[in-house]
Amino acid sequence: QIVLTQSPAIMSASPGEKVTMTCSASSSISYMHWYQQKPGTSPKRWIYDTSKLASGVPARFSGSGSGTSYSLTISSMEAEDAATYYCHQRSSYPYTFGGGTKLEIK
Amino acid sequence: QVQLKESGPGLVAPSQSLSITCTVSGFSLTSYGVHWVRQPPGKGLEWLGVIWAGGSTNYNSALMSRLSISKDNSKSQVFLKMNSLQTDDTAMYYCAREKYFDYWGQGTTLTVSS
Repeated sequence: QIVLTQSPAIMSASPGEKVTMTCSASSSISYMHWYQQKPGTSPKRWIYDTSKLASGVPARFSGSGSGTSYSLTISSMEAEDAATYYCHQRSSYPYTFGGGTKLEIK
Repeated sequence: QVQLKESGPGLVAPSQSLSITCTVSGFSLTSYGVHWVRQPPGKGLEWLGVIWAGGSTNYNSALMSRLSISKDNSKSQVFLKMNSLQTDDTAMYYCAREKYFDYWGQGTTLTVSS
């Protein structure tokens, strides 16, 4: 199965700071997808097909990457962005998720 | 609007089996697949399997021998059945609609304990 490794596991950022988190795949995949989850709630589709923002996702978010290396970037951190972000691949079975990056606000 | 809602037993004894139902509204199961994903307390997400609109299924190979997904299109319900439960099956169980999991249910908590 394809293993997704997210880094860092935990990070914090100040309001207005640029944030970048990465997801590395053990084998090349076609696309990466990202989900946001806040405590006590279900995950939300956030970025799909590597760089497409889901409906309602602020434009300060972006996704990029190819092959085995992907990233999610926030151009200017806001308090509401504090959450855990999971990367996800569906290029091959079994579908897998990364372990998550917990983003905190300073 | 699109909604998914899971319902399950809550507490199951080790070695027993469970059945969780995902009841959907706002879309047809003949047009969209539905996935099952679980999340142990304080941990990450694990994909369990999917039943596609046409009725075919794919499972996580690590759980395939214990897992079964089926559906009743007329009742807009998808069923997850898992046997030989162990304590590490304790988790929140979610159903999510295909289209890159664009909609999720609220989840149902399963505790495996004697």
